[in-house]
Amino acid sequence: NAGVTQTPKFQVLKTGQSMTLQCAQDMNHEYMSWYRQDPGMGLRLIHYSVGAGITDQGEVPNGYNVSRSTTEDFPLRLLSAAPSQTSVYFCASSYSRAAGTQYFGPGTRLTVL
Amino acid sequence: DAKTTQPPSMDCAEGRAANLPCNHSTISGNEYVYWYRQIHSQGPQYIIHGLKNNETNEMASLIITEDRKSSTLILPHATLRDTAVYYCIVRAPVGGADGLTFGKGTHLIIQP
Repeated sequence: NAGVTQTPKFQVLKTGQSMTLQCAQDMNHEYMSWYRQDPGMGLRLIHYSVGAGITDQGEVPNGYNVSRSTTEDFPLRLLSAAPSQTSVYFCASSYSRAAGTQYFGPGTRLTVL
Repeated sequence: DAKTTQPPSMDCAEGRAANLPCNHSTISGNEYVYWYRQIHSQGPQYIIHGLKNNETNEMASLIITEDRKSSTLILPHATLRDTAVYYCIVRAPVGGADGLTFGKGTHLIIQP
């Protein structure tokens, strides 16, 4: 049982490039979400999904797209990277939207030059 | 979800109990208190949660005051590996904000 996995661990992009951050969970959780964490700050919610085929915006969705074609996977796409998107990105999952017990991945550290 | 207030930092000697306070004076009747911690460069880790009764698990104890306006997370025998940022989060299972609202937390430093 790997829990929540994220790839890559580190990534450097140039302004304007696009990329996809991968997130997968093997706990059959319905609810998955993406957060970003900037230095000295708490985590902020980007997008979330309550099940396959259903996604919605969180607090800071601009510049990011998500899709949920399977229960296990929830990729986050940066459409045209900007330096303001330099951050650490965490994926999380829980068995339902109501559950406050969430399991987090190890994070992806992204730098946009 | 109700707002929480935590001290920015605390020290504790290794082997002693670490008591981390949290104020949540505007908590509503259906809101739970959750505690997470984040060890440097890692993803947040769930510790414990409660509604109004005190709770204990293998990691920690959670003491919630009778009026529910504050709580204390207790790490009974702190070790150096407990050095982390600890987040107190108040959340309702239904009707609250999506996701978890993380503040700045308390940076707990365990001293050898």
